[in-house]
Amino acid sequence: LAKTTQPISMDSYEGQEVNITCSHNNIATNDYITWYQQFPSQGPRFIIQGYKTKVTNEVASLFIPADRKSSTLSLPRVSLSDTAVYYCLVGAPMDSSYKLIFGSGTRLLVRP
Amino acid sequence: NAGVTQTPKFRILKIGQSMTLQCTQDMNHNYMYWYRQDPGMGLKLIYYSVGAGITDKGEVPNGYNVSRSTTEDFPLRLELAAPSQTSVYFCASIPGGTGGDEQYFGPGTRLTVT
Repeated sequence: LAKTTQPISMDSYEGQEVNITCSHNNIATNDYITWYQQFPSQGPRFIIQGYKTKVTNEVASLFIPADRKSSTLSLPRVSLSDTAVYYCLVGAPMDSSYKLIFGSGTRLLVRP
Repeated sequence: NAGVTQTPKFRILKIGQSMTLQCTQDMNHNYMYWYRQDPGMGLKLIYYSVGAGITDKGEVPNGYNVSRSTTEDFPLRLELAAPSQTSVYFCASIPGGTGGDEQYFGPGTRLTVT
């Protein structure tokens, strides 16, 4: 299983763009990269998923370089409500054993 | 669809007691997961299942048991509860087998063992 490494915490201000990078040096060919957001006392919530290059949805963008050994979650113009823990996961949905392991996550604090 | 439901929401157990945490999903998902999350920490995978009749251990399976007799249900059994099992327990499911799958999480069960 590919192990992921993320910064423990990040600080930002409202209106700024926030980029959170995740390292996954031993990512396998079939692995996808998925990011989740978690607020206190709630289960994680899916943000975005990608395999390579760039993926964008209504809340975030995910940048994956050609070697796929890292990925960057980009949150445009954050607000106070984006204060949460963000997790990067790596796994292969097509495998018969889709064992999804969460890392320690990145605690993002957005200040006014 | 109700999504992933968990019962109970809260429970206090005495040391040595047993209980079953219930998890049900109505999305016909193949893959289901149990995680625990201690205060201020990340999620740890306890057990997971890739289909009815198939279960496997995660990172922290000791002290727990699971079964998957139907696609919908994935109960987690705690035998001989210990204070170290005080945690919030989350159940999750995904369709499985194709790309682009997101995990759907239940609201969690907050368990205290005293």
